Amino acid sequence: TQLLEQSPQFLSIQEGENLTVYCNSSSVFSSLQWYRQEPGEGPVLLVTVVTGGEVKKLKRLTFQFGDARKDSSLHITAAQPGDTGLYLCAGVMTSGTYKYIFGTGTRLKVLA
Amino acid sequence: EAQVTQNPRYLITVTGKKLTVTCSQNMNHEYMSWYRQDPGLGLRQIYYSMNVEVTDKGDVPEGYKVSRKEKRNFPLILESPSPNQTSLYFCASSLSYDGGSAASTDTQYFGPGTRLTVL
Repeated sequence: TQLLEQSPQFLSIQEGENLTVYCNSSSVFSSLQWYRQEPGEGPVLLVTVVTGGEVKKLKRLTFQFGDARKDSSLHITAAQPGDTGLYLCAGVMTSGTYKYIFGTGTRLKVLA
Repeated sequence: EAQVTQNPRYLITVTGKKLTVTCSQNMNHEYMSWYRQDPGLGLRQIYYSMNVEVTDKGDVPEGYKVSRKEKRNFPLILESPSPNQTSLYFCASSLSYDGGSAASTDTQYFGPGTRLTVL
């Protein structure tokens, strides 16, 4: 059962443009993580957001956790070719368990 | 070097022939997990383990088995592989888990992946 909807699925933009990736669910998560995956490699964690409404910044990347802890967004300012990759959100469920629910991913290509 | 290793990296097999994909971490992590990644479906959790001898089902456990006899190893076993188990498999580990009382911020470290083809 896919509980996390991620959009858009594909995004091709020019260097210098801004973009936002969305991650939405009807479920409440204890925390939400964002990963980036390069071809032929495993995902690498970018950030974890824990508190509803929390905003975290990582250089040109801004991550926000929804107030109700059901959704999240990733905003990239002035995208660069090095930002190209597959971005994955993952909700962490800890009610009687400890599961990770991943979104379907957003494949980003930044053109020079 | 801190890492998660998986073997083999690539495997082509036939339907019904039992196989094991090994996963090992050298970081003394408590939590380990197996995922499969399929186009359009993202990563889906197969099984996870919160410590030695403690395992639980993820979202797609059917057709898979796991064991956690040692802290560092978490093998994935396919007793009778079928073509719908053709996929890219990832093992991951993290230092610990929060146990449900509050959100954990532990980082999951992923292995390099095992590409399995079942004919």
